[in-house]
Amino acid sequence: LAKTTQPISMDSYEGQEVNITCSHNNIATNDYITWYQQFPSQGPRFIIQGYKTKVTNEVASLFIPADRKSSTLSLPRVSLSDTAVYYCLVVRNEKLTFGTGTRLTIIP
Amino acid sequence: ETGVTQTPRHLVMGMTNKKSLKCEQHLGHNAMYWYKQSAKKPLELMFVYNFKEQTENNSVPSRFSPECPNSSHLFLHLHTLQPEDSALYLCASSQGSSGRNYNEQFFGPGTRLTVL
Repeated sequence: LAKTTQPISMDSYEGQEVNITCSHNNIATNDYITWYQQFPSQGPRFIIQGYKTKVTNEVASLFIPADRKSSTLSLPRVSLSDTAVYYCLVVRNEKLTFGTGTRLTIIP
Repeated sequence: ETGVTQTPRHLVMGMTNKKSLKCEQHLGHNAMYWYKQSAKKPLELMFVYNFKEQTENNSVPSRFSPECPNSSHLFLHLHTLQPEDSALYLCASSQGSSGRNYNEQFFGPGTRLTVL
């Protein structure tokens, strides 16, 4: 399975754009990159998924360079409600493996 | 609301008790999952069901017994648990357990289990 590495924690002020980078050096050809968000005492929530280049939805953008060895989740104009743990997953053989994630704290 | 409900939300049980966790999904999905989330540890996949058939068991101890009577319902039967089994147990569902649909799973709120 492709191992992912992401920062343990990040702080940001309200209204700023937040970028969380994840490295996945041994990503395979068929792997997808998927991000989930988890609030305390709740289940994770799917945010976005991509294979290459850029994907954007109403919540976030996902940037994936050509070598696909890393990816960056971009959250525009964060608010206090974006405080959560964000997980980067590389899905191989239809298996979701969660790491420890990045704990994002938004400061007023 | 994710369309996946779990009951009970909190459960305290002794090591000799038998209890069951229930999960129901209202999304018309074909695949359902049980995960365990312990404090300060990543989510661990326990079981996968696809069209009511178990397709994955990640070396889970036999004191955890899953049951999937139909594609909408999933149970986790618990017996003779240990204190280290205390955790948040999460149920999830997806459109299928293969391909891109597998990647988007919808999680329930979880059952916070405490084993005394």
